Order: sequence, then structure tokens, then C-alpha cells
Amino acid sequence: AQRVTQPEKLLSVFKGAPVELKCNYSYSGSPELFWYVQYSRQRLQLLLRHISRESIKGFTADLNKGETSFHLKKPFAQEEDSAMYYCALHGGGGYQKVTFGTGTKLQVIP
Amino acid sequence: ETGVTQTPRHLVMGMTNKKSLKCEQHLGHNAMYWYKQSAKKPLELMFVYSLEERVENNSVPSRFSPECPNSSHLFLHLHTLQPEDSALYLCASSQDTGRLAGVETQYFGPGTRLLVL
Repeated sequence: AQRVTQPEKLLSVFKGAPVELKCNYSYSGSPELFWYVQYSRQRLQLLLRHISRESIKGFTADLNKGETSFHLKKPFAQEEDSAMYYCALHGGGGYQKVTFGTGTKLQVIP
Repeated sequence: ETGVTQTPRHLVMGMTNKKSLKCEQHLGHNAMYWYKQSAKKPLELMFVYSLEERVENNSVPSRFSPECPNSSHLFLHLHTLQPEDSALYLCASSQDTGRLAGVETQYFGPGTRLLVL
């Protein structure tokens, strides 16, 4: 079975402070991990995926297979980063099967 | 309109009603999905259609019936729902490039907010 855990429902940080949104997963094979974001009154959209190894809007995420984690990080939070962030795992029983975490609401305080 | 569209955006229905949710994608994708998003619960994948064939059905009650008449349209037919079915129903699409090619990004619609009374 595949599972994604996001332990924090809400994360509040001050503008300019570092951000780390935690994501841990459980999966027996080689996972593909994603971060999706949902800004207020906007649809859910892809932020980044681990195989791209890219930085989007200053965010990065490294897949750590030893710790089964895929934490999302940004060195300096901006007010426009306030949103819901969902970690997602694709894998298992048909490659389009996807499991989402419960999401973390990031609140950046001015 | 481009991307993934869903209608209606809001729906209130009684437990004895029959209604349908519609999703349309304008991205040329060949895979479409229905998700359920409830408060305090993770996004739940309900159904997956690839090349108009249902390839995933995650133990969804039969009161939810999907239909995919072509690669651009996806419906979710609702019948005798329960109050606990109240949620945001999201549609998504992606390009199914084959098992060995890896997973493609999913593009989401705005959702239909459903309230069952």
C-alpha cells in the first residue's frame, strides 16, 4: 500500500523566514513524488516533481529514500507563498495511481 | 475556455435526486480522473479513465457512476447520495504516455462543490 503523510495541518512563518513543509511516504517500489499547490480561489496545480530536480518559485524538494521523505523547502518565505500544499505519490498498481497527503496550509505573516 | 472545466461549480441535491457532474478538458490529454476532496481528509482518487477505458476504480460506492464518452469529456452520475458524500469533486486530466514513460503531470479543474441534504 502507498501512503503519504504530511504531519502539519498549518505552518505559520514570518516573511523572510525559511520554510520547510514535511512529507513522508510509504511505498515499496520506486516512487515518483510531486508537490501540488492551491492558492486561494485557484485550482490545484503542480508546483514541482522530484524527477525534474528543478526550483519553482524558489521552492526545492529532494527525495530522500533513506528517510522516505520529500520535504518542500524555501529559504525566504514570501507573502504570496501562502497557500495549501499537497504532497503526492505516484506509483503502484498502474502508474497513474496517485495518493495525496492531507495537505499543509502555509501562512506567511507579513 | 482552456484547461480543465467543470460544471456545475456548486450543486445542492436531496438524497433521492439524480444529478450529473461534467468535466471537459481542452488539453488534448487522453487520461481523466475524478477525485473527492472532503474536509480534513486527503484527496481521494475515485476513478481513472485512460483512452476512454476505466483503469481504476477505488472501491467507490455504486451510487457514483462515471462515464467517459470520449477523451475530452468525463461525467460523474450521482444517484441516492448520502449527506457524507458532500464534498468538493475534482476532475483532472493528463497525458498517458505509457507505463515505461513515467508519470505525467495532472491538470485539475476548479471542482464542483456538492452538498447533499
